[in-house]
Amino acid sequence: QVHLVQSGAEMKKPGDSVKVSCEATGFTFTTYYFHWVRQAPGQGLEWMGIMNPTDGVTTYAQKFQGRITMTRDMSTTTAYMELSSLTPDDTAVYFCARDRDGYDVWGQGTLVTVSS
Amino acid sequence: DIQMTQSPSSVSASVGDRVTFTCRASHYIGHWLAWYQQKPGKAPKLLISTASTLQSGVPPRFSGSGSGTDFTLTISSLQPEDFATYFCQQVNTFPRTFGQGTKLEIK
Repeated sequence: QVHLVQSGAEMKKPGDSVKVSCEATGFTFTTYYFHWVRQAPGQGLEWMGIMNPTDGVTTYAQKFQGRITMTRDMSTTTAYMELSSLTPDDTAVYFCARDRDGYDVWGQGTLVTVSS
Repeated sequence: DIQMTQSPSSVSASVGDRVTFTCRASHYIGHWLAWYQQKPGKAPKLLISTASTLQSGVPPRFSGSGSGTDFTLTISSLQPEDFATYFCQQVNTFPRTFGQGTKLEIK
């Protein structure tokens, strides 16, 4: 079965970094691009960036440039998203998703809470 | 960036009703539009890609249309499980922007 399984919830302090993982199972890892999307409590969906798992090439939303890094481990078919210099405004559920002219497979989401 | 504007922001309807949501792009995006359904505490679910292509397993009461800058999502006969929030997303260019969502509530 096709799944994206994300790492568990995180509690962070302002200024910290967080790294969220997204393990792909049931399909060929390099066939699809991976995206990250976040959703603040009660808010809409915000696109963060895209990674090509074949070569690791990324494109990030301007808003996150300089503090976001998307990587992958092909041996474990896992994508990662690291966000640094966290502030309370980064409190959100973070999703990874597979791209097929739309996101047909999503991870279950990872809640990241940033609070002092 | 391409701005995506959905209307209405919320709508109340009854089981069996026909409802239509609209999504407007600030720039031409061809047919590169996706629609999602999201229920509380869950990841979004892809309903329609490329403006009108119904995803496998999605009931045929859902349909999408439009091209260019104006798009619609129609549910022909509402079922209880359809009450949720619906988002559109342009997949034409980066950043891949979403509309703000339309919340469908039970009347």
